[in-house]
Amino acid sequence: GAVVSQHPSRVICKSGTSVKIECRSLDFQATTMFWYRQFPKKSLMLMATSNEGSKATYEQGVEKDKFLINHASLTLSTLTVTSAHPEDSSFYICSARDDSSEQYFGPGTRLTVT
Amino acid sequence: KQEVTQIPAALSVPEGENLVLNCSFTDSAIYNLQWFRQDPGKGLTSLLLIQSSQREQTSGRLNASLDKSSGRSTLYIAASQPGDSATYLCAAQGLGSNYKLTFGKGTLLTVNP
Repeated sequence: GAVVSQHPSRVICKSGTSVKIECRSLDFQATTMFWYRQFPKKSLMLMATSNEGSKATYEQGVEKDKFLINHASLTLSTLTVTSAHPEDSSFYICSARDDSSEQYFGPGTRLTVT
Repeated sequence: KQEVTQIPAALSVPEGENLVLNCSFTDSAIYNLQWFRQDPGKGLTSLLLIQSSQREQTSGRLNASLDKSSGRSTLYIAASQPGDSATYLCAAQGLGSNYKLTFGKGTLLTVNP
């Protein structure tokens, strides 16, 4: 089956710094990639949708200058959390879609901002 | 705006029991309905996908049903095992060009040996 990887799996950073999370589709070309955020005991919240080569579409309430998304190739999307604060600590999951409707999920990245 | 609700939020059963997890969604205009499993601190594992034209899907001890008109889906787990302990998420996939998924909050299942 289709495989999506995320790197790093865990990251701890200091408040005020920026951190980048990578999402890669390993064996297929991802027309669209999605970034989700998950709080404890909460559902996955879609943050943004990115199509290769175009600007990401952010969901209502998600700050695009805070969460920078780049989808530079058909196999790689990055999420950069800028000027991170403790409230940005969360579990971030990406998914990727090829030309079909099915989304394939990455293993997630646990971000802790101290 | 699609909203997905899962009941119960948590469920604890003894090993061997059959159980049902419930999912409801507000907008019946969906592409499909999916069930996922999530272990603590991990990503999502796809369990079953029911197309909007289908009524059920089966995989091993799992059976998922879909009643699109009433906005409901159920996940039936037969002969539960301790290894089934996890959070089960239901997601409705929309019809838009990007086929967005809307997730419920999940049901935390604990199967006691």
